Amino acid sequence: QLQLQESGPGLVKPSETLSLTCTVSGDSISTSTYYWDWIRQPPGKGLEWIGSVFYSGSTYYNPSLKSRVTISVDTSKNQFSLKLSSVTAADTAVYYCARHEFYYDTRGYPMGCFGSWGQGRLVTVSS
Amino acid sequence: EIVLTQSPGTLSLSPGARATLSCRASQSVTRSFLAWYQQKPGQAPRLLIYFASSRATGIPDRFSGSGSGTDFTLTISRLEPEDFAVYFCHQYGSSPGTFGQGTKVEIK
Repeated sequence: QLQLQESGPGLVKPSETLSLTCTVSGDSISTSTYYWDWIRQPPGKGLEWIGSVFYSGSTYYNPSLKSRVTISVDTSKNQFSLKLSSVTAADTAVYYCARHEFYYDTRGYPMGCFGSWGQGRLVTVSS
Repeated sequence: EIVLTQSPGTLSLSPGARATLSCRASQSVTRSFLAWYQQKPGQAPRLLIYFASSRATGIPDRFSGSGSGTDFTLTISRLEPEDFAVYFCHQYGSSPGTFGQGTKVEIK
């Protein structure tokens, strides 16, 4: 049974870098069927897709965050990670890792819906 | 990017009632790549419906999805106590994928 588990600091200071890791168990991250994602949800608000990574290291990011986001994969540990730089209070959110089976859109982006999610990690940006 | 607008914001209904939730897109959703998720307090979203009308594994048949183009609907035929939650639509037809702001289904 697939499980995803987020880990990392729950408190980050403004202007610093937020770092989270998602550990995958019950399946190999080195599958050609799925992309692995980060999604966030500010308290009491809606969901925002941050970006995706393939086991090969290929990445796709939301243009609204692209300048500050890096997503990477470590197949030896069956993990993938998120780094978000220059954080502000607006980056306070529950951060979820997830996975999607992908289909290419008309511009060649690997799209899909999110069938599996981690439990989420609340990250607060505050001094 | 495609903006999804969900209505109503809150739906107050009694157990056993029928719930109809709407999701309208700012432009046509490619190939009806539209999903619905249920989220309960303190939990991650759970996938209910994909490709606008296909139920995900283990989802009861009281949940159904319909629509195409820019207008989509999630229907819960008879509300069970465990169905009171927030529901989000999500388009994944064109990048970046986007979500609606959610509809809360609460007990009347």
